[in-house]
Amino acid sequence: QLQLQESGPGLVKPSETLSLTCTVSGGSISSSSYYWGWIRQPPGKGLEWIGSIYYSGSTYYNPSLKSRVTISVDTSKNQFSLKLSSVTAADTAVYYCARVVWTFMSFDYWGQGTLVTVSS
Amino acid sequence: DIQMTQSPSSLSASVGDRVTITCQASQDISNYLNWYQQKPGKAPKLLIYDASNLETGVPSRFSGSGSGTDFTFTISSLQPEDIATYYCQQYDNLLPLFGQGTKLEIK
Repeated sequence: QLQLQESGPGLVKPSETLSLTCTVSGGSISSSSYYWGWIRQPPGKGLEWIGSIYYSGSTYYNPSLKSRVTISVDTSKNQFSLKLSSVTAADTAVYYCARVVWTFMSFDYWGQGTLVTVSS
Repeated sequence: DIQMTQSPSSLSASVGDRVTITCQASQDISNYLNWYQQKPGKAPKLLIYDASNLETGVPSRFSGSGSGTDFTFTISSLQPEDIATYYCQQYDNLLPLFGQGTKLEIK
């Protein structure tokens, strides 16, 4: 059974860089049929797609976040990572990693999510 | 940019009721629409992909229909465990966009 697990600091200071890693187990991140993505959800609000990456390193980003986002992949560790720079309180959210079925751009497996709070 | 309008934002229904949620795109997105269920404190769960295809393991009381700009998600007979927030998600331009969500409560 495929499992995804987010990890990283739960508290980040304003203007600093948020860094999270998603570890994939029970399957290979190098599968040709899938991308891997990050989605966030501010407390009490809806879902926002951040970006997605293929095992080759090809990326797609949400245009509204593109200038601050970097997503990378480490196939040797079966992990992919998110960096979001110059964070503000508006970036406080639960951050999810997920597998993307490319044909339908559907998110079929999700991590449990991790709350990241931006505060001094 | 494509805009998604999901309605209603909240809905109260009784066990056994037929429940319908709609999602409207600002331009033609063919069948490029997925539906998710999110229970409090949990990650979203994929229910329907490509507008009308039931994800493996999802109960048959859930269904989706539509194409172009107008889409419908239906629960044929509401069960207590269906209490959740439901989201549509389009992917016409390879940039996923979620609807605003519909919070479903038991009457």
